[in-house]
Amino acid sequence: DADVTQTPRNRITKTGKRIMLECSQTKGHDRMYWYRQDPGLGLRLIYYSFDVKDINKGEISDGYSVSRQAQAKFSLSLESAIPNQTALYFCATSDPGQGIYEQYFGPGTRLTVT
Amino acid sequence: TQLLEQSPQFLSIQEGENLTVYCNSSSVFSSLQWYRQEPGEGPVLLVTVVTGGEVKKLKRLTFQFGDARKDSSLHITAAQTGDTGLYLCAGARLRGYQLTFGKGTKLSVIP
Repeated sequence: DADVTQTPRNRITKTGKRIMLECSQTKGHDRMYWYRQDPGLGLRLIYYSFDVKDINKGEISDGYSVSRQAQAKFSLSLESAIPNQTALYFCATSDPGQGIYEQYFGPGTRLTVT
Repeated sequence: TQLLEQSPQFLSIQEGENLTVYCNSSSVFSSLQWYRQEPGEGPVLLVTVVTGGEVKKLKRLTFQFGDARKDSSLHITAAQTGDTGLYLCAGARLRGYQLTFGKGTKLSVIP
């Protein structure tokens, strides 16, 4: 079984809808991250969390919110989806005790906002 | 401001050829990582380099961290079709807890 899983893998939604992307991990890592990937722009950090009580904004957090329900679960929400949020979304985990900032990514969610 | 510049952006070569991909910055990083991403999947860590001047080898892949810890290169010897993918470098700043990713080099190895 994959160490980092994301659901759904693909999602098509309409402008204005609220959606949630979910991430679960079995690696036992404290740190979790949400990124979006766009062609020509690379990976950009949306939010990150170092433990259940810690939530931090990344470089592009506007229009997004997150919830860290447990050490193993980190959800990303789009309160009111807009077309320019169409992208690939990745969840990642890391454990500084095992490697310097090395991150382990999930398989991604392809989100299309029409 | 793009802190990490990767070049070339695209690279198409014949199987068996050698290639080098570059990752450059004006900033100093405490460590630098290389990932490979295949279509429909998330990036997978290949290597982490920490010390200025460090060279690491992973089979046919050779990674080097610049002496000043501002740049890195990835050299592939005798490329194979299985090397096809998007290669991403990512740097950890001296202060801070985040990685900064380059935009990637898309490599196509033609049989």
